[in-house]
Amino acid sequence: EAQVTQNPRYLITVTGKKLTVTCSQNMNHEYMSWYRQDPGLGLRQIYYSMNVEVTDKGDVPEGYKVSRKEKRNFPLILESPSPNQTSLYFCASSLKSSGQGEKPQHFGDGTRLSIL
Amino acid sequence: AQSVTQLDSQVPVFEEAPVELRCNYSSSVSVYLFWYVQYPNQGLQLLLKYLSGSTLVKGINGFEAEFNKSQTSFHLRKPSVHISDTAEYFCAVIPYWGGSEKLVFGKGTKLTVNP
Repeated sequence: EAQVTQNPRYLITVTGKKLTVTCSQNMNHEYMSWYRQDPGLGLRQIYYSMNVEVTDKGDVPEGYKVSRKEKRNFPLILESPSPNQTSLYFCASSLKSSGQGEKPQHFGDGTRLSIL
Repeated sequence: AQSVTQLDSQVPVFEEAPVELRCNYSSSVSVYLFWYVQYPNQGLQLLLKYLSGSTLVKGINGFEAEFNKSQTSFHLRKPSVHISDTAEYFCAVIPYWGGSEKLVFGKGTKLTVNP
């Protein structure tokens, strides 16, 4: 089954304690992305990756890191989490398109982080 | 740059009534348009998309949307809603030129279907 898998689904932690949210896709997609969802703000992109070893900042990258060592995995790292990073996080992936085809992104089920 | 405006943050309707969720976008280049649905405690699921061709597109669960280029709109409609349609709906765009895969989302519309 084609899917994007995020772990953990829920996490409560404390300020300053490093954490990693994993994301894995089994569709051989080149493009992967992280979003955060906050009430009244919709989804905002944190980081994205066009392919292995190619990552770039989205709209709200402060306080986050990512890596793309393998095509299927795109972990999100919070080196020193703070309460304003309490949010619902989504990982997404898609094929890289040429501008002539469809570009639907497949989303994981989300990770709800609470930073106390 | 692109932006998406969903004009209603919440839409309450009664079961079997018709519904329209409004979406307007702004972009200096052509875009692909999408509607995603998020059921409670779940991720986003693609409802429908407009790439080119007929401006009326049909999606899953009886939803359809109409692309209006002159009004830069992509409103979502369903003629008769069910309780199970209660969810949050997001309109999103991607620029057509292929250099970016970044989805730009609206802030979402919460649809609540009451019995």
